[in-house]
Amino acid sequence: GNSVTQMEGPVTLSEEAFLTINCTYTATGYPSLFWYVQYPGEGLQLLLKATKADDKGSNKGFEATYRKETTSFHLEKGSVQVSDSAVYFCALSNTGNQFYFGTGTSLTVIP
Amino acid sequence: GEEVAQTPKHLVRGEGQKAKLYCAPIKGHSYVFWYQQVLKNEFKFLISFQNENVFDETGMPKERFSAKCLPNSPCSLEIQATKLEDSAVYFCASSADRNTEAFFGQGTRLTVV
Repeated sequence: GNSVTQMEGPVTLSEEAFLTINCTYTATGYPSLFWYVQYPGEGLQLLLKATKADDKGSNKGFEATYRKETTSFHLEKGSVQVSDSAVYFCALSNTGNQFYFGTGTSLTVIP
Repeated sequence: GEEVAQTPKHLVRGEGQKAKLYCAPIKGHSYVFWYQQVLKNEFKFLISFQNENVFDETGMPKERFSAKCLPNSPCSLEIQATKLEDSAVYFCASSADRNTEAFFGQGTRLTVV
């Protein structure tokens, strides 16, 4: 079946620190992979995506590379800001009938 | 429209009452998804549509939940005889095509008292 496993949080970092949030997936075939971000009281916003192996998605300084050999899609950012504090969700879509979400990782960035 | 519009933002119902939530997908999007967010982070899939046809309803508690997406009308999710455990934020999302990104609405917070 399809599933996403995401590193447990919460994660607390100082401003300008390096961020990695691990995400691995299980799926048959060739799913599309996504990172979404949720700010308090809001819906999910698409952060980045990758649709095939070795694709790198990037947006607002965040990056993630679709690694089929390790079934991973880890999120990274070189220098986090206070405004990056949010909950981050890794997700996959395989046959298009639904999106499978990880459990979310809460990030707090302190000045 | 250019964003997924969900109404109402907040809904309070007494246990046993009916609740109806609405979602207007982005114009031109063929796929609509409903999710329930409980326990702050977990997203539980409920149902998806391809145009007005049910695509996947494996997440729906069918005895009390129903949903529709009719042409030229907002999609709807209805809960008959609400229970305390139905208290959650319900998100709707739409996408243009299979396996493309989904765009989410701001959610409807349902509180059952």
